[in-house]
Amino acid sequence: KAGVTQTPRYLIKTRGQQVTLSCSPISGHRSVSWYQQTPGQGLQFLFEYFSETQRNKGNFPGRFSGRQFSNSRSEMNVSTLELGDSALYLCASSYDRGALDGYTFGSGTRLTVV
Amino acid sequence: TQLLEQSPQFLSIQEGENLTVYCNSSSVFSSLQWYRQEPGEGPVLLVTVVTGGEVKKLKRLTFQFGDARKDSSLHITAAQPGDTGLYLCAGQYLGYSTLTFGKGTMLLVSP
Repeated sequence: KAGVTQTPRYLIKTRGQQVTLSCSPISGHRSVSWYQQTPGQGLQFLFEYFSETQRNKGNFPGRFSGRQFSNSRSEMNVSTLELGDSALYLCASSYDRGALDGYTFGSGTRLTVV
Repeated sequence: TQLLEQSPQFLSIQEGENLTVYCNSSSVFSSLQWYRQEPGEGPVLLVTVVTGGEVKKLKRLTFQFGDARKDSSLHITAAQPGDTGLYLCAGQYLGYSTLTFGKGTMLLVSP
């Protein structure tokens, strides 16, 4: 079966711009979570969506937002980009119970802010 | 803030050696997972443990969950170059539905 698909794989943006990242979960998976990975902080939880509703939210500023569509595909948006937003953004899907089911991660979107 | 600490941060060994990676927290986990991440890819789930004292084996990898459910270890026997990668533990704390990740142990196995 197809895995979790994230697009684009790489992105270079300028400070102040905004960006939208996309994630298509495994077919049948209804929970989608987003993580930011940096060398210094590791993986940090952004938010989780389930059936088009945000179920959990991490400790990130309001510039980071997301949504989930009826087909479970999810997008995350970062507005007013800062240099510190440069990171690997990972999307993870699971069937129903989120973390308890275990995540299947996508390959990530590498965002570089210049 | 709940902290999940992994040690060591880096490990460089020769093929055939054994190693153990540790994951510790001061809080109790309802479940804990181990992932392996290779460069340019997302983490891949290796195992989930939920019961204190539980031991699970995956070929040459042995995972143990502490009796008090505050710590876990990953032991690799006779490491191979294919084991190279970033090993991440991730815990679900009691009362929380999300995962908290450790910063990982970078393992390099040389032929």
